[in-house]
Amino acid sequence: NAGVTQTPKFRVLKTGQSMTLLCAQDMNHEYMYWYRQDPGMGLRLIHYSVGEGTTAKGEVPDGYNVSRLKKQNFLLGLESAAPSQTSVYFCASSRYTEAFFGQGTRLTVV
Amino acid sequence: GEDVEQSLFLSVREGDSSVINCTYTDSSSTYLYWYKQEPGAGLQLLTYIFSNMDMKQDQRLTVLLNKKDKHLSLRIADTQTGDSAIYFCAESIGNSGYALNFGKGTSLLVTP
Repeated sequence: NAGVTQTPKFRVLKTGQSMTLLCAQDMNHEYMYWYRQDPGMGLRLIHYSVGEGTTAKGEVPDGYNVSRLKKQNFLLGLESAAPSQTSVYFCASSRYTEAFFGQGTRLTVV
Repeated sequence: GEDVEQSLFLSVREGDSSVINCTYTDSSSTYLYWYKQEPGAGLQLLTYIFSNMDMKQDQRLTVLLNKKDKHLSLRIADTQTGDSAIYFCAESIGNSGYALNFGKGTSLLVTP
């Protein structure tokens, strides 16, 4: 029973590089979310999806793109990484009220 | 979004009760949540309360909601060292699935 799985768990990028973070859930949930967590800032919503093929912007979407081509996967892309995107990224999914979180991806941009 | 406010630190002795307070922003939030995060881990849902309730109890956890003051609290009875963690208050964001607006978290330290 995997729940929400994030890949990779750690990554170091150089400024300007691109990468994709993968989130996979096996609970057949409709809703999926990407948050970032910074020290002293709590979690902030980047993008979310209310179903396969749909995405929407959250509180801090700039510099990120997302795709939800399959119901079980929600991809977060950084086209040109910046040091300000150094953070811990959490993916979550939910059917209704209860959201399940992945273990996080620690990304450092140097 | 606007800030969900929590105190940053709380220290209690093992066996005492802990009370973590939160002030939320959106009076139309349908659900209010408490999540727990242990070091290096993801977030674990502890409990949530529907906005038309004023209290919810679940074993050692009691949630109180004062909708007039937009105040939410989490009481942990008989606090144990294993309860040491960061506790996040969160409110549901309207028209965004069940996305959440989080507070900055309260770091709870339980000493023997």
